[in-house]
Amino acid sequence: EDQVTQSPEALRLQEGESSSLNCSYTVSGLRGLFWYRQDPGKGPEFLFTLYSAGEEKEKERLKATLTKKESFLHITAPKPEDSATYLCAVQGSGGSNYKLTFGKGTLLTVNP
Amino acid sequence: GAVVSQHPSRVICKSGTSVKIECRSLDFQATTMFWYRQFPKKSLMLMATSNEGSKATYEQGVEKDKFLINHASLTLSTLTVTSAHPEDSSFYICSARTSGSARYEQYFGPGTRLTVT
Repeated sequence: EDQVTQSPEALRLQEGESSSLNCSYTVSGLRGLFWYRQDPGKGPEFLFTLYSAGEEKEKERLKATLTKKESFLHITAPKPEDSATYLCAVQGSGGSNYKLTFGKGTLLTVNP
Repeated sequence: GAVVSQHPSRVICKSGTSVKIECRSLDFQATTMFWYRQFPKKSLMLMATSNEGSKATYEQGVEKDKFLINHASLTLSTLTVTSAHPEDSSFYICSARTSGSARYEQYFGPGTRLTVT
């Protein structure tokens, strides 16, 4: 069974204070690892897909990296508007229905 | 691109009535649509997967007679909560995937908040 563990559960940063969120996973045949951002009362917003170890993707202040066991979401010089819950999910090749397994998320709060 | 909408965004219904939630892919054809449920401060729980023109596949523990899913076209899926009870109150979110190079990615709708009184 695919499993995803995210840490920390919650993270408070000062504006401009860079940090990283962790996503550890076990999966039978990784098709992809996905990062989403979710604001309160909204659906998840797609950020990145990573397909293989060593891959990196960037978008504004966010950078996602992937190894064979974990992924990191690096946030550089965050702003208050980056406050949200960040969700990590994996898709394994064990099933045929492209099902995602989600972690519980990291609640990020960036104080001005 | 890759926009998914849901309607309604919020619904309140009385216990024993049925509620239908629509999920539409606005700018792409959705090969597969997924329905999730999310409890406060919890992650997403997959309820069922549906492919256009086929019966939905339900996750273990999800009552298929209570949560009816129809995926009649490549841009529309509906979730009907039948004989709703207060314990069905939750945040329901759909997602959709397409075929082709982005076939592994899922794009989510904005969610529907259901309150059963």
